[in-house]
Amino acid sequence: KAGVTQTPRYLIKTRGQQVTLSCSPISGHRSVSWYQQTPGQGLQFLFEYFSETQRNKGNFPGRFSGRQFSNSRSEMNVSTLELGDSALYLCASSRRQGAHEQYFGPGTRLTVT
Amino acid sequence: GQQVMQIPQYQHVQEGEDFTTYCNSSTTLSNIQWYKQRPGGHPVFLIQLVKSGEVKKQKRLTFQFGEAKKNSSLHITATQTTDVGTYFCALEAGNEKLTFGTGTRLTIIP
Repeated sequence: KAGVTQTPRYLIKTRGQQVTLSCSPISGHRSVSWYQQTPGQGLQFLFEYFSETQRNKGNFPGRFSGRQFSNSRSEMNVSTLELGDSALYLCASSRRQGAHEQYFGPGTRLTVT
Repeated sequence: GQQVMQIPQYQHVQEGEDFTTYCNSSTTLSNIQWYKQRPGGHPVFLIQLVKSGEVKKQKRLTFQFGEAKKNSSLHITATQTTDVGTYFCALEAGNEKLTFGTGTRLTIIP
């Protein structure tokens, strides 16, 4: 079974721009969660989508948003990028909604200049 | 955001020595999970513990959940170079959100 895939793998953006990241979960997994990983703050939960609905969210500003499609694929959008948004963005899928075992993708490394 | 401290933050061990990392919470947990992230890689799920006092083993790895469901440990016996990486605990306190610990970075001296 193929793992979680994320595109693009690397991205360089300028402050003020916006970015969209994509995630395809493991086949049969209906939950997709997004995490931000930085050296300073560690791994932080952004939000979870299940059956096209946001089920939970972390403590991030409204510039961070997401959506999930009927095939469970998910996208994450960050608007008005700030230097502090530079991070590894990880997508994780799970069979069930909630805090169950997460299967992570390789991540998208975002650099904001 | 909230951070969960793991101790130690770094651990350097000789190959063949044992290694333990600890994860502590101030609140009672619904479940705790452990993940391993190799350098340059992504977190990989290792185990989930849900019962008070639960102990689970995976080959040389032993995972424990405290009796009060507020702490957990991961112990590796006779470390090998393949054990290199950062080990994270992830906590769920009834809000269906996972809060990841700060991680313990393990390096092995051959």
